[in-house]
Amino acid sequence: EPEVTQTPSHQVTQMGQEVILRCVPISNHLYFYWYRQILGQKVEFLVSFYNNEISEKSEIFDDQFSVERPDGSNFTLKIRSTKLEDSAMYFCASRAWGEGARDEKLFFGSGTQLSVL
Amino acid sequence: AQTVTQSQPEMSVQEAETVTLSCTYDTSENNYYLFWYKQPPSRQMILVIRQEAYKQQNATENRFSVNFQKAAKSFSLKISDSQLGDTAMYFCAFMKHVNSGGGADGLTFGKGTHLIIQP
Repeated sequence: EPEVTQTPSHQVTQMGQEVILRCVPISNHLYFYWYRQILGQKVEFLVSFYNNEISEKSEIFDDQFSVERPDGSNFTLKIRSTKLEDSAMYFCASRAWGEGARDEKLFFGSGTQLSVL
Repeated sequence: AQTVTQSQPEMSVQEAETVTLSCTYDTSENNYYLFWYKQPPSRQMILVIRQEAYKQQNATENRFSVNFQKAAKSFSLKISDSQLGDTAMYFCAFMKHVNSGGGADGLTFGKGTHLIIQP
């Protein structure tokens, strides 16, 4: 089965530093997402991306967050000035086009565990 | 906005028993999908089963089956012949059809149920 790839698997950073989390979605997918899961809590939606622009974003996705699809394959999440409360597992996901898609579901990457010290 | 509620924070059963995890949701949409995801200690999100709202027939995947009650907005997961490897967090999730804006919203998750299978 095709896979969504995320790198790195674990990122440690100092508070106030910028981090970039990387994802390679499945090649023919058109919708891309970032989710966050603080340890022991539920998975929370951050942002969706379609046609090279943000489709929807949650309240969590404030000005310190940004997303890019710089080269047609990678999909990145940047956190400009990390805070302690940004420590979480960050999941990237992608989805094929809805109408007529054989498998209407999200494919998740294995996540990046971000630790802010 | 959609909400998904899982009222059982934790459940524990003996190996080989059958267990049912509960999920209810609230939506005004008519065309949507429901999912159960498994998250083992590795924290990988693994799709267990998927249900299309327009299908009356309950989805099944080997030992996993659902009881989908659309009018009641209920979507429970039944695990038969439970195995030690089934120990994990289980998340119920909702997704609108893309033609209803589902592409933008993605998935809405419940808080999860921690399932423990005892040997």
